[in-house]
Amino acid sequence: AQSVAQPEDQVNVAEGNPLTVKCTYSVSGNPYLFWYVQYPNRGLQFLLKYITGDNLVKGSYGFEAEFNKSQTSFHLKKPSALVSDSALYFCAVRDMPFNDKIIFGKGTRLHILP
Amino acid sequence: EPEVTQTPSHQVTQMGQEVILRCVPISNHLYFYWYRQILGQKVEFLVSFYNNEISEKSEIFDDQFSVERPDGSNFTLKIRSTKLEDSAMYFCASGGGLETGELFFGEGSRLTVL
Repeated sequence: AQSVAQPEDQVNVAEGNPLTVKCTYSVSGNPYLFWYVQYPNRGLQFLLKYITGDNLVKGSYGFEAEFNKSQTSFHLKKPSALVSDSALYFCAVRDMPFNDKIIFGKGTRLHILP
Repeated sequence: EPEVTQTPSHQVTQMGQEVILRCVPISNHLYFYWYRQILGQKVEFLVSFYNNEISEKSEIFDDQFSVERPDGSNFTLKIRSTKLEDSAMYFCASGGGLETGELFFGEGSRLTVL
């Protein structure tokens, strides 16, 4: 069975500093990995994905994530945080080829301090 | 830009009543999903639908739940006899294919059961 762990409920970062939101996963097959962001009272918005290829993937709004197979991790990063990045971030995984569902982690609330 | 649309945005119902939540997925997508989120917390998988049938469902998706794609464009979630614990935000999502990866989410339907 597939699972995702986000060990931090909340991450606080000063504006302009680099940010990291952690994610680890467990799958039986090959992981397809995703990050989504949710703003208050809104749906989930896709940020980036890792399917195959380069371990460092770039996405929307200057975010990037690094796939590390040996550590089964897919941490979300941004070199310089903005106050507008404050939101709820979800890591998610699809266990290929066994499932078509995507399973989400519990979410990490990112708070960027001005 | 194509998007997933959901109606209603908010529905209040009495316990034991039937509720139908509606979704219009992105037109050329083949995979359809329902997720729920309680109190802004974890996003939980309910069901996936492909080729006019359920492909996967979670333990949450019991006999009180059903899904349908009645006319080739709408995708509905029916709860036959609502319980208090069904109160949640319900998200519809669609995807173009398993190999392309990501899902696109609607803005959600908030269900309040009294």
